[in-house]
Amino acid sequence: SQTIHQWPATLVQPVGSPLSLECTVEGTSNPNLYWYRQAAGRGLQLLFYSVGIGQISSEVPQNLSASRPQDRQFILSSKKLLLSDSGFYLCAWSGGRFNYGYTFGSGTRLTVV
Amino acid sequence: SQQGEEDPQALSIQEGENATMNCSYKTSINNLQWYRQNSGRGLVHLILIRSNEREKHSGRLRVTLDTSKKSSSLLITASRAADTASYFCATDDSSASKIIFGSGTRLSIRP
Repeated sequence: SQTIHQWPATLVQPVGSPLSLECTVEGTSNPNLYWYRQAAGRGLQLLFYSVGIGQISSEVPQNLSASRPQDRQFILSSKKLLLSDSGFYLCAWSGGRFNYGYTFGSGTRLTVV
Repeated sequence: SQQGEEDPQALSIQEGENATMNCSYKTSINNLQWYRQNSGRGLVHLILIRSNEREKHSGRLRVTLDTSKKSSSLLITASRAADTASYFCATDDSSASKIIFGSGTRLSIRP
């Protein structure tokens, strides 16, 4: 069966420090991968998505970047965190185009102080 | 970009009652999905309805889709305390490579 792993669960980082969040998927190949951010009590904002190795689409100009170095690995990074980067970050995968639900990881609560 | 918008933003009902949440979107879609999120957790996929379907059931969940009105509804029958969560609808974009979420409905079930 397919599983998705996202870590760490919580993270407290000072302003200006770097960030690296990792997401891996098991039990499937060539998944579509996604990073979302959720502000407290709000909906999900799509940050990046990838339909293949090395293919990254950015949805929102921001202080973040994403990479997909392997088929089932998706990394969210920042060189220098801002206070506004605080939030709940969710990784998700889907089986491809049309008629597929998304499977989400358990999320990372990032607090920038 | 197109986006589902849920209505109401918050809903509080008595345990055992039915809960209805609505979603409206702006442009044509291939499918519409509903998700549940418990506080501080990831989202769980509940149900997907294709654009050529009008109604779909899964256990106590019933989803309808009206593409002429660009709207969908999620009905949870015989609500339970465990149904307390936020519910989101999501619609795909024209490329179907991504889905966009609405702002969600916070459902509270009173014992």
